[in-house]
Amino acid sequence: GAVVSQHPSWVICKSGTSVKIECRSLDFQATTMFWYRQFPKQSLMLMATSNEGSKATYEQGVEKDKFLINHASLTLSTLTVTSAHPEDSSFYICSALSGRETQYFGPGTRLLVL
Amino acid sequence: DAKTTQPTSMDCAEGRAANLPCNHSTISGNEYVYWYRQIHSQGPQYIIHGLKNNETNEMASLIITEDRKSSTLILPHATLRDTAVYYCIVRVGGNYKLTFGKGTLLTVNP
Repeated sequence: GAVVSQHPSWVICKSGTSVKIECRSLDFQATTMFWYRQFPKQSLMLMATSNEGSKATYEQGVEKDKFLINHASLTLSTLTVTSAHPEDSSFYICSALSGRETQYFGPGTRLLVL
Repeated sequence: DAKTTQPTSMDCAEGRAANLPCNHSTISGNEYVYWYRQIHSQGPQYIIHGLKNNETNEMASLIITEDRKSSTLILPHATLRDTAVYYCIVRVGGNYKLTFGKGTLLTVNP
C-alpha cells in the first residue's frame, strides 16, 4: 500500500517551454501533497505544499508564478514549470500525505532543460 | 523542528546488522522521529517512525533512548540493496513538513 507515482519519469525540453509533471496517489487519497526539488549531490528541498481544492503554499524563495501547482482531486497534483530555463534542470519529487500522517514519495521526475 | 545530526557515511558487511545513529538532542515532547532512505536516483522510501517507544516493522527497528535525545535505526540483516542515503528527520506533530538534512550514506559490502 501507499504507492505514489509520477509521470513522466524524465523529460527533456527546450528553454522557454513549459513542462507539466503529474503526481498520483494510487491506493489512498491525499488531501495534502508536497513537491520537492533535488540538485546533484544535494538533499531534497521542499518547494511547496499542495492542498486539494485550495491554493498551494510555497516555501520562501520559490516563485509561485514559475512553478504552478494544481491539486484538483484527492489523488492528483500537478507541477508545471513555466518558461523553463537550464537552471531549472533538476530532480523533482512529489510526496503524498497518508491518513497515518506519513509522507510517501513518488519515484521522481528528472528534468533537463536545454 | 529539532535539528538532527548523523554520520556522513557508514559501511556494513552484507548479512550483518546495520546500526545507524541519529542525534536529536533538542527534540521536544511532541516531535516524532522519522527515517527515510533514498536509493540512488529514486524518490525517498519511508522506513519507520516513532515518538517515545521503540518500534519495529518488516523493514527495520527504531530504538529511541529514554531521554529521546538520540535514536538508532537497525537493519537486522543488511543486503546490497540496502545501500542508500538514510535520513533521520524530526517532525512536529500536526506539522507535516519534512526537512531533509544530508543523511548517512550506508554502503553494504559483499
